Formats: sequence, structure tokens, C-alpha cells
Amino acid sequence: QVQLVESGGDLVKPGESLRLACAASGFSFSDSYMSWFRQAPGKGLEYLSYISGGGSDIIYADSVKGRFTISRDNAKNSLYLHIRNLRAEDTAVYYCARSARLGDLRGQGTLVTVSS
Amino acid sequence: DVELTQSPLSLPVPLGQPASFSCRSSRYLVYSTGQTFLNWFHQRPGQSPRRLIYEVFRRDSGVPDRFSGSGSGTEFTLNITRVEAEDVGVYYCMQATHWPFNFGQGTKLEIK
Repeated sequence: QVQLVESGGDLVKPGESLRLACAASGFSFSDSYMSWFRQAPGKGLEYLSYISGGGSDIIYADSVKGRFTISRDNAKNSLYLHIRNLRAEDTAVYYCARSARLGDLRGQGTLVTVSS
Repeated sequence: DVELTQSPLSLPVPLGQPASFSCRSSRYLVYSTGQTFLNWFHQRPGQSPRRLIYEVFRRDSGVPDRFSGSGSGTEFTLNITRVEAEDVGVYYCMQATHWPFNFGQGTKLEIK
């Protein structure tokens, strides 16, 4: 069955960087678009970015463009989200999902807390 | 950008009664392929969101058949035929037809 396990969240200071990871299993990862979402405490869901199976088709929400980088390693069935220059407003639970448009979100997420 | 407006924001429903959630889009959500990328998610208190419905009406594996999605164009509905205690939480619609993809503000279902 499809499994997605996010990791890498941490308590960090403003301005620091972090790399989140998503380990995928149970489906053909290299053939699948993947995406990242987040949810700030007490808030709704926000779509951040997606990447195609081969990595050539990438798009970012305006709110994260320039600071967030999505990438993948198909040999490791892993998706990544590199976040630099973290801000307090990046505090959220981050989720990965299979597909760009279908939002197949299955993991527990990983918590990123940005605080001095 | 597409605006998704969910209503009501709060929905108190007695156990065993039906519930209906509305999601209205500011733009038609039919993609060039003919698909309509309107998905529904459920988030129980303290838990991660889970997809219930994708492409308007396609129910996810394991989702009870008391849940159904319908609609077209700009008007979409999620229905529960008989509410159970485990159905409490927030329901979000999401459109992925027009970039930037986005979510509605959510409807909170509570047991009356």
C-alpha cells in the first residue's frame, strides 16, 4: 500500500535552513508527481510545490518561491524540501503527497518550528 | 487566483442525520483534459488531514460509502448520508485545476 513518511522537522532559529524528507513506498515513485503542503498551527492547508517524476516540471507557490527548493532522488524513493532563511511564519506541519493534482496525502507530517 | 468558498463554516449535526458541505469556486474547475480536480479532505481533531474524495466524486479506498461527492463547474458538494461520531472534524475542499492550487477555509462538523 502507498506509504509516505515525512521527516526532518525541527526547532530552528529565524534565518536558518532545513531539509525535509519524504520516504515513499508502495507505488512507482519515479513515475509519480509529488507535492508538498503545510498547515500552520490552527490554520488551514496550504499547497506549496510540486515536482514531476523526472524532476523537470517544478512549480512553487508565490509565498515560498525563492526560499524553498523541491527535489527528489528516485533511486532512494525520496522527496525533499529544502527551506532556507526560515521565518516565524514558516512554522507549520509539512506534508508530502503523491500526485500534483490529486492530493494523495497519507503521512503524519513533520513539524517545523521557527523561533528565536 | 481561484477563490474557494466553503459553507457553512460550522455544521452541527445529530448522530445519524445527513450532512452536506458546499464548496464554490470563483472559476470553472474543468481542466483541459476534461478532468475536474476538486478534492475533499477530512481532518479529525489532532490528526493529519486525509483525502476522502478526488476528482469530484471518486471515493478513496477505505472511505465509507456514506460519503459522496458531486458537482460540476463551480459548485461542488460533499454529502454524508448518516453522520457518525468519527466524522467530526474539519472538511476542506481543494482545487488543483488552476495554479496556484488552493484549499477552501474548511467546514467544521460537530455532533449536535
